[in-house]
Amino acid sequence: KAGVTQTPRYLIKTRGQQVTLSCSPISGHRSVSWYQQTPGQGLQFLFEYFSETQRNKGNFPGRFSGRQFSNSRSEMNVSTLELGDSALYLCASSPSFGDSGDFGPGTRLTVL
Amino acid sequence: GQQLNQSPQSMFIQEGEDVSMNCTSSSIFNTWLWYKQDPGEGPVLLIALYKAGELTSNGRLTAQFGITRKDSFLNISASIPSDVGIYFCAGQLNNNNDMRFGAGTRLTVKP
Repeated sequence: KAGVTQTPRYLIKTRGQQVTLSCSPISGHRSVSWYQQTPGQGLQFLFEYFSETQRNKGNFPGRFSGRQFSNSRSEMNVSTLELGDSALYLCASSPSFGDSGDFGPGTRLTVL
Repeated sequence: GQQLNQSPQSMFIQEGEDVSMNCTSSSIFNTWLWYKQDPGEGPVLLIALYKAGELTSNGRLTAQFGITRKDSFLNISASIPSDVGIYFCAGQLNNNNDMRFGAGTRLTVKP
C-alpha cells in the first residue's frame, strides 16, 4: 500500500510569512495527526483530525492551525512565521481516531 | 518539551551485541510505543504495548510495559548494522494521538 505522503518535502520561508503543508493519508485512513520535531524540543504533538473535525490539540499558539478535507487529506498552516518554527513537520495517519499511526517522511521547514 | 526521560542518549556498540534502552515518566500512560527513525524519514512503529506488565517481541526486538505504567524498556538482541538510527519511546494516556515522546536514543553499530 502507498504510504503517507507529505508535500512539499523541503521549504524555505522568511520570518513573517505564512506556510501551508499538506498530508495525504494512507488510503482508508480517516485520522491524521501532526507533529513538530526540533533538536531542542524533540517530537511534539500539534493536533489530530478525524472526519474533518479537530479532535485534539497540543500546546501550540494559535498561529498553528489545520484542517481536514472530506477525502481525509489534511493541511496545516503556520502564520507569521518565527525563526523557532524551523522544524521537521510530520504527519501520521491511522484508520481510526486515537490509533497510533503511520508517519510520513515529513516536511523540512526552514525559516530565515 | 518532553515529559519522558529516555536513556541512554546515545550508544556505540559492536555488531552482534545486545542493546537496552529505557524510558521513565512521572506520569502514567495507558500505551507505550517504540519507534525507529532513519535520517530523512519519519518514525516507524516498532512495538506497541497496551497493558502494564506486557512483554512483546518483534523479531530481535523485545519491549516491556512497566508494572507502574510509568516506564518501558526496549531490548535489541544480536545487533546488525541496519539497526543504526534513533529510537524513540512514546507514551499515550488517553485514546488520542496526543503522545509524549522521549528525546531519543541514537544507536551506532560498528561492523
